[in-house]
Amino acid sequence: EAQVTQNPRYLITVTGKKLTVTCSQNMNHEYMSWYRQDPGLGLRQIYYSMNVEVTDKGDVPEGYKVSRKEKRNFPLILESPSPNQTSLYFCASSLSGTSAYEQYFGPGTRLTVT
Amino acid sequence: GDSVTQMEGPVTLSEEAFLTINCTYTATGYPSLFWYVQYPGEGLQLLLKATKADDKGSNKGFEATYRKETTSFHLEKGSVQVSDSAVYFCALHGGGGSNYKLTFGKGTLLTVNP
Repeated sequence: EAQVTQNPRYLITVTGKKLTVTCSQNMNHEYMSWYRQDPGLGLRQIYYSMNVEVTDKGDVPEGYKVSRKEKRNFPLILESPSPNQTSLYFCASSLSGTSAYEQYFGPGTRLTVT
Repeated sequence: GDSVTQMEGPVTLSEEAFLTINCTYTATGYPSLFWYVQYPGEGLQLLLKATKADDKGSNKGFEATYRKETTSFHLEKGSVQVSDSAVYFCALHGGGGSNYKLTFGKGTLLTVNP
């Protein structure tokens, strides 16, 4: 089954404790992206990757890191989480970022930073 | 930059009522337009899309027409069902000049009562 998976689905952590949210897709997609969803703000892009070893900032990259060492995986790293990073996070992938291909979304990771 | 404005919810309808969710956009060039749906506890799923002016996207009884003259992409359904209860997001894909990302509206919560 074609899908985007994220782990964990739920996470409660404390300020400053490094964490990684994993994202994996099985569709051989070139393009992957991370979004955060906050009430009243919709979804905003954090980082994106056009292909292996090619990543770039989105609209709200502060406090986040990403890497793309393999085509299928695109982990999101919070090196020193803060309460303002409490949010619902979605990973998405698409065949290509250069045209209007459908983006497939993972189920989301709800992160709470206390 | 690109932006999407959609009508604020929540929207509450009775089963078999007619649905319209308004969406207007601002973008340079010729964006592709999308409606995504988010059911409770799930990630976003593509509902329909249109890639050029006057295109009509349709799926599951939902329709939206890409109107360049009014920069709109309103979502309609003739007879809603309880199972249509979800959050609906209008989005645009502006291409390379916009980080290859989807720009989302803030979402509209639809509740359909039996």
